[in-house]
Amino acid sequence: DAGVTQTPRHEVAEKGQTIILKCEPVSGHNDLFWYRQTKIQGLELLSYFRSKSLMEDGGAFKDRFKAEMLNSSFSTLKIQPTEPKDSAVYLCASSGQASQNTLYFGAGTRLSVL
Amino acid sequence: GEQVEQLPSILRVQEGSSASINCTYENSASNYFPWYKQEPGENPKLIIDIRSNMERKQTQGLIVLLDKKAKRFSLHITDTQPGDSAMYFCAARWAGNTRKLIFGLGTTLQVQP
Repeated sequence: DAGVTQTPRHEVAEKGQTIILKCEPVSGHNDLFWYRQTKIQGLELLSYFRSKSLMEDGGAFKDRFKAEMLNSSFSTLKIQPTEPKDSAVYLCASSGQASQNTLYFGAGTRLSVL
Repeated sequence: GEQVEQLPSILRVQEGSSASINCTYENSASNYFPWYKQEPGENPKLIIDIRSNMERKQTQGLIVLLDKKAKRFSLHITDTQPGDSAMYFCAARWAGNTRKLIFGLGTTLQVQP
């Protein structure tokens, strides 16, 4: 079974650019999460979708971060415009009925904003 | 509130000894408490979890304890090995129609030979 797939694995952006991160959840999972991981803040929830509907759009991240779930097997996270403080690892995770509580994480996208 | 506090942030132990990580949560409606292990360069993976209807759970050298009254839960690793060196995250989930997890800031465990 394929796990959660994230692309790209690494992204380098200039300040002010727009970047789009992609995620494919585990097939059949209907919950999808975007987290940002930094050493200072740990794992911060950015967005949460259930059956493609946006359940939560992390308050502090609303202005420049926009997550979408175009279909049940694909999600994007757009950061526009990027700032150096956005440098972090962005993790996508999914869970579903069969796995009940377990979140399966992707390998992450490491973003560096110069 | 939704905060989960995790301590310590760094834990160094000798191989063969035990290691304990403690977490507290704010929302008394939380009903599910997983622990994730993240090895360097890897994604976090679930290692053990406990629901609010239990006080203790044990599997393969891992013990989790839950004290609902104190809103506190803990992970205990017995007989630590170098392979246990990693980042550990606790998390809490509210009851109800959500699978959203709120994570602690993580504990870096270093097992020294």
